[in-house]
Amino acid sequence: KNQVEQSPQSLIILEGKNCTLQCNYTVSPFSNLRWYKQDTGRGPVSLTIMTFSENTKSNGRYTATLDADTKQSSLHITASQLSDSASYICVVSSLNAGNNRKLIWGLGTSLAVNP
Amino acid sequence: DAGITQSPRHKVTETGTPVTLRCHQTENHRYMYWYRQDPGHGLRLIHYSYGVKDTDKGEVSDGYSVSRSKTEDFLLTLESATSSQTSVYFCAISALAGGPDTQYFGPGTRLTVL
Repeated sequence: KNQVEQSPQSLIILEGKNCTLQCNYTVSPFSNLRWYKQDTGRGPVSLTIMTFSENTKSNGRYTATLDADTKQSSLHITASQLSDSASYICVVSSLNAGNNRKLIWGLGTSLAVNP
Repeated sequence: DAGITQSPRHKVTETGTPVTLRCHQTENHRYMYWYRQDPGHGLRLIHYSYGVKDTDKGEVSDGYSVSRSKTEDFLLTLESATSSQTSVYFCAISALAGGPDTQYFGPGTRLTVL
């Protein structure tokens, strides 16, 4: 069964600290993995997209890693800011032989950055 | 929100009434999607469209229908709303169906069915 599991479920850190969010998946065939940020009351916004051949991708203070062998990804946030408080969602895309994409969404990690 | 608007943003309705949610885009993207988001579940795809008048079912399509008569508009209809359809509904658009493209999401519609 295709699944995406994220940990921790929630996290509280102090402003300025770093943190790492985890995503483990059992999706086949694998096409790509995305991280989205969702602020409360808003739609998700894409942070990074990684294909099978990419193992690191950065977007400002956000750095995503992908280990396709172990089927794990992480999202590292450096020097956290209050505006980083949000839910971070891992999404894995599977592309079948008919070129039809299926997205498997994780439940997200709720991050709170406190002053 | 990448040129995507949803209307209404909030709606309260009663069980058994029909409800239509509208998604409007100004990006001229080919693909449009309707998702629902509920606590304890990841975003779940209801229906999607790959062109004008071309639509297909997602994983939770029962009780929902869609229509796309113009590139820019994608309508989601609940024929007879039930309390289990209380949720936040998101519309998304993308330029490509395959490959590492990105879906852009609208601001969401919070629907409450009493």
